[in-house]
Amino acid sequence: DAKTTQPNSMESNEEEPVHLPCNHSTISGTDYIHWYRQLPSQGPEYVIHGLTSNVNNRMASLAIAEDRKSSTLILHRATLRDAAVYYCIPNIIQGAQKLVFGQGTRLTINP
Amino acid sequence: DVKVTQSSRYLVKRTGEKVFLECVQDMDHENMFWYRQDPGLGLRLIYFSYDVKMKEKGDIPEGYSVSREKKERFSLILESASTNQTSMYLCASSSTGLRGIQYFGAGTRLSVL
Repeated sequence: DAKTTQPNSMESNEEEPVHLPCNHSTISGTDYIHWYRQLPSQGPEYVIHGLTSNVNNRMASLAIAEDRKSSTLILHRATLRDAAVYYCIPNIIQGAQKLVFGQGTRLTINP
Repeated sequence: DVKVTQSSRYLVKRTGEKVFLECVQDMDHENMFWYRQDPGLGLRLIYFSYDVKMKEKGDIPEGYSVSREKKERFSLILESASTNQTSMYLCASSSTGLRGIQYFGAGTRLSVL
């Protein structure tokens, strides 16, 4: 399993962009980079994933470094509802693959 | 929307009791998973299943068993509950065709006294 490094915590203000970094220098060539988040008292929820190119969806954007050793999850305008623990997870996408959750980044959003 | 439903949000049991945690998904997913989440240890995989009646051990299967008699239902069984099994239990499901995305239930917080 690829090892990931994320800041323990980050803080931002409402309606400002947030950039959440993740280092995954041991990622293999077949691993996708998944991001999940866990809101208080809920199970994790999928946010976004990508392989090499930057990706956008309605929740966030994912910027992947050219060497794939790091990535950044971008929340364009944070809301209070985005306060959660964010997990970066390298994962192959074939079959029933377990997700290996690290400690993640606890994001606090100030009003 | 995909829905993964866990039968209880909170459960209190006594040491030695047999405990059943139930999980149902409504999206015809092939794969189902049971994790537990503990402070400082993150989420850890207990068991998973990739088809009806099939099961595979995860990282921490000791003290647990599972049952998958129907595609939509995956049960976690604590044969004889112990206090070190007090934890948050999370069920997830995924489709082989959905690029590994897992959908999680809200969790069951189990306390074993």
